[in-house]
Amino acid sequence: DTEVTQTPKHLVMGMTNKKSLKCEQHMGHRAMYWYKQKAKKPPELMFVYSYEKLSINESVPSRFSPECPNSSLLNLHLHALQPEDSALYLCASSRPGQGKTEAFFGQGTRLTVV
Amino acid sequence: SQQGEEDPQALSIQEGENATMNCSYKTSINNLQWYRQNSGRGLVHLILIRSNEREKHSGRLRVTLDTSKKSSSLLITASRAADTASYFCATDKFNAGNMLTFGGGTRLMVKP
Repeated sequence: DTEVTQTPKHLVMGMTNKKSLKCEQHMGHRAMYWYKQKAKKPPELMFVYSYEKLSINESVPSRFSPECPNSSLLNLHLHALQPEDSALYLCASSRPGQGKTEAFFGQGTRLTVV
Repeated sequence: SQQGEEDPQALSIQEGENATMNCSYKTSINNLQWYRQNSGRGLVHLILIRSNEREKHSGRLRVTLDTSKKSSSLLITASRAADTASYFCATDKFNAGNMLTFGGGTRLMVKP
């Protein structure tokens, strides 16, 4: 199984809502990532988890809260978002180390904040 | 911040022609990877070239890496309409762990 599964595929939320994005992989990868991608732009790294521990936080606002409950799951909790946070949120996984192997990406969650 | 820049930003060719995309980066790297993204979907890994390699082939793909110029190119030969997608280079900075930084991307359209 070489899939990274993200749910939901689409999400519309108000600025006062709390929602969560979910990501799951069963490839035994111990590094997992959240990326944010705006239209016609490259993905931008938000968070990296390595062996279920947060190893990189790219100065992301606290309204985004990541969680890695186990080696297969990665969540992104959303609260009090702004319309400019509307984007495609991509989860990825890879074997940990110095980036020696490729990252496997999910299909993304298209988030719209209204 | 974006490590790499790609050119061209957009490329339109006829089926059967070759497509060449270029990527430049700024810092020392462990390796450079190329990914493909169909419209609004996830990224798919195409090929990885290590910093001590100069050229690599995979099917219709040919990647070159020039670490002295901090640049790479992706050549797709005999393009097909199904190759229409955005193509991104991604680098991982030396000693930066699992941190891929993507270039701006090239939007390729292959006309049948």
